[in-house]
Amino acid sequence: AQRVTQPEKLLSVFKGAPVELKCNYSYSGSPELFWYVQYSRQRLQLLLRHISRESIKGFTADLNKGETSFHLKKPFAQEEDSAMYYCALRGNTPLVFGKGTRLSVIA
Amino acid sequence: DAGVIQSPRHEVTEMGQEVTLRCKPISGHNSLFWYRQTMMRGLELLIYFNNNVPIDDSGMPEDRFSAKMPNASFSTLKIQPSEPRDSAVYFCASSRPPTNYGYTFGSGTRLTVV
Repeated sequence: AQRVTQPEKLLSVFKGAPVELKCNYSYSGSPELFWYVQYSRQRLQLLLRHISRESIKGFTADLNKGETSFHLKKPFAQEEDSAMYYCALRGNTPLVFGKGTRLSVIA
Repeated sequence: DAGVIQSPRHEVTEMGQEVTLRCKPISGHNSLFWYRQTMMRGLELLIYFNNNVPIDDSGMPEDRFSAKMPNASFSTLKIQPSEPRDSAVYFCASSRPPTNYGYTFGSGTRLTVV
């Protein structure tokens, strides 16, 4: 079975502080992992794909197969980063999403 | 490209009424997905289509829910009869191979059943 766990429902950080949003997954095969962001009452937008190893809006995420994790990181949080963040896994079925973490960046 | 287009953006209906949600995927995308988002359960996959054919509808909660994709540019999700517990945001998404590009989501339909 495919499962994504985001242990934190809410994460509050001060502007300029580092951010790490945790994501752990369960899948026996080779997963495709994604981070999506949802700003207030808007559509989900693709933020990162593990396969591309890119940095978007200062965010990065590294797939750690040993720890089955795909944590999202940013060295310096900005107020505009406040949003819901969803980790998603695609194995042998369509995307399965975690419950999401609400990031609140405090000025 | 206008992206994935969903209508209506908001729907308020009375319990027992039929509700139809609509989705136009991105041209050239051959997979279409319907998700439901609630506070309690997060994002749940309801059904998905490949090349207009329903592949897996195991996420559809009850027989009151049905979905169709008559052609590559249009899909509907119907609830008949609607109930208050169906209140949620319903998202449509589409994708194209290779799937590691991820899905593109529509703006969603916020359904309120009173």
